[in-house]
Amino acid sequence: EPEVTQTPSHQVTQMGQEVILRCVPISNHLYFYWYRQILGQKVEFLVSFYNNEISEKSEIFDDQFSVERPDGSNFTLKIRSTKLEDSAMYFCASKPGQRLTGELFFGEGSRLTVL
Amino acid sequence: AQKVTQAQTEISVVEKEDVTLDCVYETRDTTYYLFWYKQPPSGELVFLIRRNSFDEQNEISGRYSWNFQKSTSSFNFTITASQVVDSAVYFCALSEGTGTASKLTFGTGTRLQVTL
Repeated sequence: EPEVTQTPSHQVTQMGQEVILRCVPISNHLYFYWYRQILGQKVEFLVSFYNNEISEKSEIFDDQFSVERPDGSNFTLKIRSTKLEDSAMYFCASKPGQRLTGELFFGEGSRLTVL
Repeated sequence: AQKVTQAQTEISVVEKEDVTLDCVYETRDTTYYLFWYKQPPSGELVFLIRRNSFDEQNEISGRYSWNFQKSTSSFNFTITASQVVDSAVYFCALSEGTGTASKLTFGTGTRLQVTL
């Protein structure tokens, strides 16, 4: 069964360093998302991406964050200068384009630890 | 703005007991979608069900059942004859029908612990 894959599964970084989290969405999906879950808290929307541009972003997604779909298969989330509060599980998700709404298919997450 | 409330932070039951997880939502839209996701200890988010606002029919899938009541803005989830493998955090989520990209708003989750 096709699935969303994310790498790395866990990354430890120093505060101020740049981090890139990678995702390979399901191949025929058209909508892509990043969500974040701080340990023990709820899952929060960061950004949605469609047709090679951001379609919506949350207040969390400030200038330190960026997303890219560089090659038609990968979907990346970059954090330019990590802060301690960026420590969280980051989930990538994708969705087919047939309807505006429908279930999102989530990856297994990338745990980011900022020291 | 949309909001999802899961008032139960943690529930513990003994195997074979039935358990209901509550979800109350707020939205101004007349078209919206409700979801339940399961997050086992391994951390991934597993889709369980989607329900749209026009379909109030309750649904049963094996030991799982869902009760959607628009009048009380609730979308509760019942596990019958719970098993240890049901231990997980369960998230209720809402997506409004307008807009292009179905952003999900999650509740804070209910941690279910099923013991022998």
